[in-house]
Parts: sequence; C-alpha cells; structure tokens
Amino acid sequence: KAGVTQTPRYLIKTRGQQVTLSCSPISGHRSVSWYQQTPGQGLQFLFEYFSETQRNKGNFPGRFSGRQFSNSRSEMNVSTLELGDSALYLCASSTTVESTDTQYFGPGTRLTVL
Amino acid sequence: QKEVEQDPGPLSVPEGAIVSLNCTYSNSAFQYFMWYRQYSRKGPELLMYTYSSGNKEDGRFTAQVDKSSKYISLFIRDSQPSDSATYLCALNSGGYQKVTFGTGTKLQVIP
Repeated sequence: KAGVTQTPRYLIKTRGQQVTLSCSPISGHRSVSWYQQTPGQGLQFLFEYFSETQRNKGNFPGRFSGRQFSNSRSEMNVSTLELGDSALYLCASSTTVESTDTQYFGPGTRLTVL
Repeated sequence: QKEVEQDPGPLSVPEGAIVSLNCTYSNSAFQYFMWYRQYSRKGPELLMYTYSSGNKEDGRFTAQVDKSSKYISLFIRDSQPSDSATYLCALNSGGYQKVTFGTGTKLQVIP
C-alpha cells in the first residue's frame, strides 16, 4: 500500500506570495492533518479534516487555510507569505479522527520564503 | 510555558548503550502518549503508543508514563547506529487527532 504523498517536496517563494501544498493520504484513510515543523517550535498542529469538513484547528492566523476533497486528498494554502512561514509542512493521514488511530506522516514539503 | 518540554540534545552515545529520552508536560488532560522517530528528510513514524501509566515494551524499546508526575520516557536498549534520528514525544487529550509534540531530541549512536 502506498504511503502518504506530498507535493511538491521543495518550494521557494518570496514574501507576499501565496502557496498551495497538496497531500494524498493512504488509500482508505479519511482523516488528514497538517503540521508545521520548525527548529524552534517543533511540530505544531495546523488543522485536521475528515470527510471534507475541518474538525479541529490549531493556533495559526487566518492566512493558513485548507480543504479536503471527496477523495480525501487535501490541500493547504498560505496567503501573503512571511519569512517566518519557512518550515517543513507535514501531512498525516489516519483511518478516522479517533485519537487511538495511528497517524502516518508524509515526507513533507520544505517551504522557503525569501 | 510550553505544554510539552523535551530536551533537544543532541545526545551522543556509543553503540550498545541504553538510551533514555524524556518529556514533561503540564496539561493533565493528556491521555494518550506516543513516541515518534524522525530520520533526516523524512516524516515522523510512530514507534510507541500508550494511554496508561506504567511501562510498555516493544523489542528494544520501552515507553514509560507517569501521569502523577506528568513525565514520560522512552528507553532504547542495545542502541544501534540505525537508531540515530530525532525522537519526538507526542501527546493527545483525546477526541480528535490534535496532537501536541515535543520539540524532539536528536540522538546519535556512534559505532
């Protein structure tokens, strides 16, 4: 079974631009979560989607948004990029939203904002 | 104060050593405790999962949870160079997949 895939793997943008990242979960998984990973803050929860609905949201500004499609694929969008948005963005999928379900992470998208 | 505190290391040990990795947390609502391993340029992968105080063993790995002290540990016995990675503790209060991670401890096992 294929793992979680994320595209693109690397991205370079300039301040003020916007960016869209994509995540394809493991087949059969309906929950997708997004995390931001930086050296100083570690992994921080952005949001979680299940059946095309956002179920939970972390403490990030409204510039960060996401959506999930009927095939469970998910995208996250960051508008008006800031230097501090440079990070590794990780997507994780699980069968359901239950805490006891294992999350499987993708390799991440490395975003650099210049 | 962060909800979860984890010593970032780096921690360098000789091959065969016993490694102890620790996290402390402040939110007593956390009920589920996990340890992830992350190799360079890869996403985290789940190593251990537990939801009760006490020990859980899986091969060379033992996860320990002390809810009264709000302290969790991961022990690695007979450490191998392939164990060199960043280890992240992760906690969940239940209900949804909103996981709070520690900042990670970088471990290097020297042959």
